[in-house]
Amino acid sequence: GAVVSQHPSRVICKSGTSVKIECRSLDFQATTMFWYRQFPKKSLMLMATSNEGSKATYEQGVEKDKFLINHASLTLSTLTVTSAHPEDSSFYICSARGLGANVLTFGAGSRLTVL
Amino acid sequence: GENVEQHPSTLSVQEGDSAVIKCTYSDSASNYFPWYKQELGKRPQLIIDIRSNVGEKKDQRIAVTLNKTAKHFSLHITETQPEDSAVYFCAASRGSGGGADGLTFGKGTHLIIQP
Repeated sequence: GAVVSQHPSRVICKSGTSVKIECRSLDFQATTMFWYRQFPKKSLMLMATSNEGSKATYEQGVEKDKFLINHASLTLSTLTVTSAHPEDSSFYICSARGLGANVLTFGAGSRLTVL
Repeated sequence: GENVEQHPSTLSVQEGDSAVIKCTYSDSASNYFPWYKQELGKRPQLIIDIRSNVGEKKDQRIAVTLNKTAKHFSLHITETQPEDSAVYFCAASRGSGGGADGLTFGKGTHLIIQP
């Protein structure tokens, strides 16, 4: 079945630094990838939708200059949290789907802690 | 945009009994309704989904029903087992051309199976 790899699984960084999270589809071409943020015991909040080769579409309230998303290839999307602050600490999860597919495959998530 | 309401937020049932989780959605154009199971600290896993042209779908102990007129759909788990304990999320999206737009998730239901 479809597999999505997300890396790193955990990252701790200092306030003011930037952190990059990678999301890779291992055995299919992901034409669309989605990035979510999940707070403890809360639902997944869609942050942005990225289509390969084009700019990401951000949900209302999500700062595109703070959460940079790049989807340069059919198997890789990256989320960069720029100038991270403690309030950015969260669980970030990506999901991906192939062309014509209605089923999403999720990555394992990345837990970001900003000190 | 779409709004998905999910109830209850916590559900405790005796092992062997049935569990029912209910969701309502607001966008009548939504046509794809997946259910995800998320164990603590892990990725959401698709357990069953239903499309708007079907009223019910069953997979072993899991079933989903959809009432398009009322805009609600439910997850039914029969003969519950300890490994069913997890957080369950419903979601809705409007597919276009065979693909799904970003899902809107319910807030989740923490299902606890009592031994």
